[in-house]
Amino acid sequence: SQTIHQWPATLVQPVGSPLSLECTVEGTSNPNLYWYRQAAGRGLQLLFYSVGIGQISSEVPQNLSASRPQDRQFILSSKKLLLSDSGFYLCAWADRRFYEQYFGPGTRLTVT
Amino acid sequence: RKEVEQDPGPFNVPEGATVAFNCTYSNSASQSFFWYRQDCRKEPKLLMSVYSSGNEDGRFTAQLNRASQYISLLIRDSKLSDSATYLCAVTFSGGYQKVTFGTGTKLQVIP
Repeated sequence: SQTIHQWPATLVQPVGSPLSLECTVEGTSNPNLYWYRQAAGRGLQLLFYSVGIGQISSEVPQNLSASRPQDRQFILSSKKLLLSDSGFYLCAWADRRFYEQYFGPGTRLTVT
Repeated sequence: RKEVEQDPGPFNVPEGATVAFNCTYSNSASQSFFWYRQDCRKEPKLLMSVYSSGNEDGRFTAQLNRASQYISLLIRDSKLSDSATYLCAVTFSGGYQKVTFGTGTKLQVIP
């Protein structure tokens, strides 16, 4: 069966510091991968999606970036965090034949 | 108009009650529909897909009304463990399986 991992689970970072969040998927090949952010009391905002290695599309302009160095690895980064970057970051995968998305456990980021 | 809209609730219902949520979508070309459940401070988990003919999974029934552009989720015999936020999700035509999520409806089942 497929599993999706994210780490770290929680993170507290000062404004201006860099960020790297990692997501890996097991048990599937060539998945579509997604990064979402959920601010407190808000809906899911799609940040990035990827249909293959090195292929990244951005949905929202911001100071975040994403990379997919391997088929089942998706990384979210920032060079300098802003207070507004605080939130719950979720990675998701989908079999490219279907629309159902499956989420990892998420990383709760607090920028202070 | 938002692409996907849900009543945020909360819906406070007694154990054993039947409760229904609706979710409206704006794009008539929408293709696939889902309900997710999200517990507090946890990731959303797929509850069920919504098919044109409607579908049922135990106490949960999902319906699609394309003419009025909404989907619904009916929960029968509510349990305390059903307390959560229910997110609807809608896909629009596109090449990369973009899914738009509603902001969720909060359900609180009361003893």
